[in-house]
Amino acid sequence: QSALTQPRSVSGSPGQSVTISCTGTSSDVGGYNYVSWYQQHPGKAPKLMIYDVSKRPSGVPDRFSGSKSVNTASLTISGLQAEDEADYYCCSYAGSYTLVFGGGTKLTVL
Amino acid sequence: EVQLLESGGGLVQPGGSLRLSCAASGFIFSTYAMSWVRQAPGKGLEWVSTISGSGASTYYADSVKGRFTISRDNSKNTLYLQMNSLRAADTAVYYCAKYSLGVTTFFDYWGQGTLVTVSS
Repeated sequence: QSALTQPRSVSGSPGQSVTISCTGTSSDVGGYNYVSWYQQHPGKAPKLMIYDVSKRPSGVPDRFSGSKSVNTASLTISGLQAEDEADYYCCSYAGSYTLVFGGGTKLTVL
Repeated sequence: EVQLLESGGGLVQPGGSLRLSCAASGFIFSTYAMSWVRQAPGKGLEWVSTISGSGASTYYADSVKGRFTISRDNSKNTLYLQMNSLRAADTAVYYCAKYSLGVTTFFDYWGQGTLVTVSS
């Protein structure tokens, strides 16, 4: 149950696009199409942004999109806005009803 | 409106025990699997445990297996986490999280969390 690997930080200017990567193994990210992404503002609970690799829950702007290639999943945020500044965590199903999270990525909107 | 309200956190000595509760409302509690997820200070999220809607099946992270027990009382719409033999490494905010219907692969709602501090 090793954590998925995410960059510690990414940044972008308003209106730009950023992509956050999430690397796992064939036992988690690569083995299932069950990657989810959560946004967490300081002192707040996480919020679901993407599930099943690329599906968006109702209410999440279409600026947020997800994808996966082999053992790496990605979250892309286009048209960056100030309110997107937050920590982002990827999560993958890892079999046998277990989940593994990434270490988190701090997004700074310059 | 879905609401998840955790309680029971606090300061406990190493080796001690604590029971967390999560009061759920706004959905048919018994229909959904539930989990506990924790976050150590300044660190990332860590899945801790999952329980099926009926309570018949439970699953644990290796880091807590044998020490923590997840349970639920569907008549009270409440989820529990009994934590024994606590260690400093268990210090974290513990979140109660609800799975989406029929799956155990992602959480659609989270509580606000309760802080557990293990220290002498």
